Amino acid sequence: GENVEQHPSTLSVQEGDSAVIKCTYSDSASNYFPWYKQELGKRPQLIIDIRSNVGEKKDQRIAVTLNKTAKHFSLHITETQPEDSAVYFCAATSPGTYKYIFGTGTRLKVLA
Amino acid sequence: DAGVTQSPTHLIKTRGQHVTLRCSPISGHKSVSWYQQVLGQGPQFIFQYYEKEERGRGNFPDRFSARQFPNYSSELNVNALLLGDSALYLCASSFQGMDEQFFGPGTRLTVL
Repeated sequence: GENVEQHPSTLSVQEGDSAVIKCTYSDSASNYFPWYKQELGKRPQLIIDIRSNVGEKKDQRIAVTLNKTAKHFSLHITETQPEDSAVYFCAATSPGTYKYIFGTGTRLKVLA
Repeated sequence: DAGVTQSPTHLIKTRGQHVTLRCSPISGHKSVSWYQQVLGQGPQFIFQYYEKEERGRGNFPDRFSARQFPNYSSELNVNALLLGDSALYLCASSFQGMDEQFFGPGTRLTVL
């Protein structure tokens, strides 16, 4: 079945450094890849997404890259701030399946 | 603006009981998806409804059922509750189901 692997499970960075989280998907038909940020006790919040016809998308300090050949996509956060500390989830979805497959999450800690 | 709302916020049940969880999507959104999130894991897809029709189902037993009403709100029902059903149940709405999904705050279900 469909699967999304996410690494690392935990990531600690110094404030101002960059953070990179990687996900690999199994279904080659997947065409939409959102990233969610979930703070403790709160709902997942969509922070950025990318579709399969685009290789990279950027929104201020956040960027996502997609490599369809290798079936992996990555979240890049630059100039990290303490408020970036949260659990980040990647997800993938394929046409006709109508379901998002989520990764297992990455707990990001930004140390001041 | 009104986001996705869910009720109740918290719920405590005992094994064997049934539960009904409710979700109201963002105004204008016609699709509702349900997810189960166990502590420390990513959301697991349960159902997606669009225009009152079930359009996708995850790997959950028949004890789980759902429906969508003409106003696009939705209910998730779980029968014969097991201890393992304890989780955060998230509802997500989107315009068509294959686009950006926005999550509600969730219902935390505890089964004793």
